[in-house]
Amino acid sequence: SQTIHQWPATLVQPVGSPLSLECTVEGTSNPNLYWYRQAAGRGLQLLFYSVGIGQISSEVPQNLSASRPQDRQFILSSKKLLLSDSGFYLCAWKVSFNYGYTFGSGTRLTVV
Amino acid sequence: QKEVEQNSGPLSVPEGAIASLNCTYSDRGSQSFFWYRQYSGKSPELIMSIYSNGDKEDGRFTAQLNKASQYVSLLIRDSQPSDSATYLCAVTSNSNYQLIWGAGTKLIIKP
Repeated sequence: SQTIHQWPATLVQPVGSPLSLECTVEGTSNPNLYWYRQAAGRGLQLLFYSVGIGQISSEVPQNLSASRPQDRQFILSSKKLLLSDSGFYLCAWKVSFNYGYTFGSGTRLTVV
Repeated sequence: QKEVEQNSGPLSVPEGAIASLNCTYSDRGSQSFFWYRQYSGKSPELIMSIYSNGDKEDGRFTAQLNKASQYVSLLIRDSQPSDSATYLCAVTSNSNYQLIWGAGTKLIIKP
């Protein structure tokens, strides 16, 4: 069966520090992968999506970046965190265009 | 701008009653529709998908789709306190097949 792993679960980072969040999917190949952010009490904001290795589409300009070094690995990064980067970061995948997304358990990031 | 609209709530329903959650969307070409449940502090969980006009039932949940009216709803029968959560409606964009999300409706089931 397919599973999605996301870590860490919680993270407290100082302003200006770097960030690396990792997401991996098991039990499938060539999934579409997504990074979302959800601010407290707000809806889901799509940050990046990828349809294949090395292919990244950015939905919102900001100080975050994403990479897909392997078929089932998706990484969210930042060189210098801002206070406004705080939020609940969610990785998701889907099999094909007509399917819903399956989400990882999320990373709650607090920038202090 | 393609949009999905939901009433933010909170919607308060007594235990055992039917909870009715509604969603409208603007992309007339959308073909896939989803309902997610999100408990506080947790990630969204897919509970229903619907692709054709009409009703689709799964246990206590029924999804209803009316493409002519661009309207999708979720009915929860015999509501339980464990159904208290935020329910997110999502619709597939006809242009790039990405999901367009509503902001969610907070549902509270009162014992």
